Amino acid sequence: SQTIHQWPATLVQPVGSPLSLECTVEGTSNPNLYWYRQAAGRGLQLLFYSVGIGQISSEVPQNLSASRPQDRQFILSSKKLLLSDSGFYLCAWSVRWGGEQYFGPGTRLTVT
Amino acid sequence: DAKTTQPPSMDCAEGRAANLPCNHSTISGNEYVYWYRQIHSQGPQYIIHGLKNNETNEMASLIITEDRKSSTLILPHATLRDTAVYYCIVRGTGNQFYFGTGTSLTVIP
Repeated sequence: SQTIHQWPATLVQPVGSPLSLECTVEGTSNPNLYWYRQAAGRGLQLLFYSVGIGQISSEVPQNLSASRPQDRQFILSSKKLLLSDSGFYLCAWSVRWGGEQYFGPGTRLTVT
Repeated sequence: DAKTTQPPSMDCAEGRAANLPCNHSTISGNEYVYWYRQIHSQGPQYIIHGLKNNETNEMASLIITEDRKSSTLILPHATLRDTAVYYCIVRGTGNQFYFGTGTSLTVIP
């Protein structure tokens, strides 16, 4: 069966520090991968998605970036965190374009 | 652009059926209705989806009206573990899920 992992589970970082969140999927090949952010009490906002290695599409301009160095690995990064980057970051995958998406456990980021 | 309207909160007695409504009056012919739920501090969990026929799986049933302008998610025998925020999402052939604020369901013992 397929599983999705995210780490770390929680993270507290000072403003201006760098960020690296990692997501990996097991049990499937060539998945579509997604990064979402959820602010407190709000819905999910799609940040990036990828349909293959090295292919990244950005949905929202911001100081975050994403990379996909391997087929089942998706990384969310920032060079300098802002207070507004605080939130719950979720990675998701789907088998095919337009199919249902399956979410990881999330990373709760607090920027202080 | 959530495209759906859901009540902000609902209660349901344990063991009874939970019926969660969703309005999507602007849905177009090729758009699917998806349901997810999110238990506090966890990632959303896929429940079910459909286009125009009613659907049932091991978790729930999805009833879509004939004009497709609304739907109902049914949890047949709600348990305390079904307490969560339930999201109704309309999506087309694109790859984006637009999550709104959903319905917070509380199952009462």
